[in-house]
Amino acid sequence: NAGVTQTPKFRVLKTGQSMTLLCAQDMNHEYMYWYRQDPGMGLRLIHYSVGEGTTAKGEVPDGYNVSRLKKQNFLLGLESAAPSQTSVYFCASSYAGLNTQYFGPGTRLTVL
Amino acid sequence: DAKTTQPPSMDCAEGRAANLPCNHSTISGNEYVYWYRQIHSQGPQYIIHGLKNNETNEMASLIITEDRKSSTLILPHATLRDTAVYYCIVRSSQGGSEKLVFGKGTKLTVNP
Repeated sequence: NAGVTQTPKFRVLKTGQSMTLLCAQDMNHEYMYWYRQDPGMGLRLIHYSVGEGTTAKGEVPDGYNVSRLKKQNFLLGLESAAPSQTSVYFCASSYAGLNTQYFGPGTRLTVL
Repeated sequence: DAKTTQPPSMDCAEGRAANLPCNHSTISGNEYVYWYRQIHSQGPQYIIHGLKNNETNEMASLIITEDRKSSTLILPHATLRDTAVYYCIVRSSQGGSEKLVFGKGTKLTVNP
């Protein structure tokens, strides 16, 4: 099992550009999550999904959109990137909402 | 806000036990204590969790005080690869607790 994978690993954007981060899991987990981590801080939840076709807002959802068209994939979109979105983005998944979350390796995004 | 208090940093000699404390004085009866670690900007890695009883797995032991207001994560024989930031997280067993609230954690440095 690959576990949780994230694509791409690194990306540099200019302000106003758009991009999509892909998270994939092969553990048949229902729940998936997107977090961001800024220097010296813990992770903050952006959006999450409790199953295929569902999404919900976390604590810092502004400027991001998500989609869960397939159970194994969770996409995070930035429609118009801003320098404040420079961060490391982590995806996670869990069998259910109260179960252990397993994290991907992260995507390091820089917005100039 | 995180419901836990951890020392910002600790040192440990290689081969010795590392004991990482966590205070969670406002923990309620249905809340679990989870431990994750993050090695050098990799994705967080689940270590162990518990409710009341002490727990042990292949990675670590978790000791929870009888009043549940504090706990200690024990790495019995620390290696250099255990150098990481360790996060203690309190998490409800009730619905609506999908997110993990990460504080700043404890930076553990294992020295040769």
